[in-house]
Amino acid sequence: SAVISQKPSRDICQRGTSLTIQCQVDSQVTMMFWYRQQPGQSLTLIATANQGSEATYESGFVIDKFPISRPNLTFSTLTVSNMSPEDSSIYLCSVEERPYEQYFGPGTRLTVT
Amino acid sequence: KQEVTQIPAALSVPEGENLVLNCSFTDSAIYNLQWFRQDPGKGLTSLLLIQSSQREQTSGRLNASLDKSSGRSTLYIAASQPGDSATYLCAVLNDYKLSFGAGTTVTVRA
Repeated sequence: SAVISQKPSRDICQRGTSLTIQCQVDSQVTMMFWYRQQPGQSLTLIATANQGSEATYESGFVIDKFPISRPNLTFSTLTVSNMSPEDSSIYLCSVEERPYEQYFGPGTRLTVT
Repeated sequence: KQEVTQIPAALSVPEGENLVLNCSFTDSAIYNLQWFRQDPGKGLTSLLLIQSSQREQTSGRLNASLDKSSGRSTLYIAASQPGDSATYLCAVLNDYKLSFGAGTTVTVRA
């Protein structure tokens, strides 16, 4: 399966600032996904990012708050903008390597103070 | 909207006992179901994927069954070990999106 890495692995940020999370895959993939996992909760899909097109956001998530870039078939970034303590979560990227089967990166643990 | 429920939320067993984890979903029009393992503060590791046309899938000590018509899946872990301690998540795919349960946190006591 694809090897997925994320940077940073964790960060502590002050409210009002922004953080960009990087997701790198060791093979070319068409579809990449970004998820959020709030403390004690399960995963929620933020958006789907396909190369060459705008990301598709799920209900409750907006581009101004979570801008996403997908410049090529192996890389994507998610920015968490104007952070508040409620943004403290684990952010995970995933890829669809085989049709309809997703693999996940190690996650980025974000704490907003 | 797909709702995925996992019972129990937490489970503690002595080493060597078999584990039974349950997952139910409300919309049976799924494409597949995946079981994942998550260690504290970490990402997800895919354990098993069952296509909607399959009844079960096996990998080593793990066996997952799927009853799509009743909206249920069960993950069996045989002869549990302390290294099996983790949170286990099930996720169903429909409309090209994965919907996750809240997970079952398993503790295997040595």
